[in-house]
Amino acid sequence: KQEVTQIPAALSVPEGENLVLNCSFTDSAIYNLQWFRQDPGKGLTSLLLIQSSQREQTSGRLNASLDKSSGRSTLYIAASQPGDSATYLCAVPLQGGSQGNLIFGKGTKLSVKP
Amino acid sequence: GAVVSQHPSWVICKSGTSVKIECRSLDFQATTMFWYRQFPKQSLMLMATSNEGSKATYEQGVEKDKFLINHASLTLSTLTVTSAHPEDSSFYICSARDQERPTDTQYFGPGTRLTVL
Repeated sequence: KQEVTQIPAALSVPEGENLVLNCSFTDSAIYNLQWFRQDPGKGLTSLLLIQSSQREQTSGRLNASLDKSSGRSTLYIAASQPGDSATYLCAVPLQGGSQGNLIFGKGTKLSVKP
Repeated sequence: GAVVSQHPSWVICKSGTSVKIECRSLDFQATTMFWYRQFPKQSLMLMATSNEGSKATYEQGVEKDKFLINHASLTLSTLTVTSAHPEDSSFYICSARDQERPTDTQYFGPGTRLTVL
């Protein structure tokens, strides 16, 4: 059974710091891995999607890496800003199920202090 | 960009009543939509997959007679929580797959906060 774990559960940093969010999954046979952002009481915004054949994806100040063999992904945020404050979720598709059956971690709640 | 809307954004109802939540894809056609539920400090959990023109597929443990799903058009899916109880209070989020894009692309709605008194 696929399980997704995110560490830490919460993180508070001063503005300008670089930071790393961690995601681990128990079954390494994944199609892809996505990182999402969720603002309080809001839906999800897809940040980055890494295919199983890729090692990393970059978008602006965000860089996500994927190590399938070790069952890990990291989301690196450079030069953090208060606007980055949100909950960050990682998710992988359930093997053998609908492509929509994403298995989510519980998220890391990030707070960037001005 | 692709936009998915949900209505209402929040709803409070009395125990025993039914509540309908709408999910719309605004600028694309979605043959498949998904309904998720998120309890406080918990992960999003898929409840069901909604397919246009056919019956929804429910995940294990989700009562299909309690959570009625209708996907009557390529841009609208509805979730009706029947005879709602306080334990149904949760954040319900839908997502939609753009049929013109790769199958791993989902667009999420803003969610609906349901509170059952």
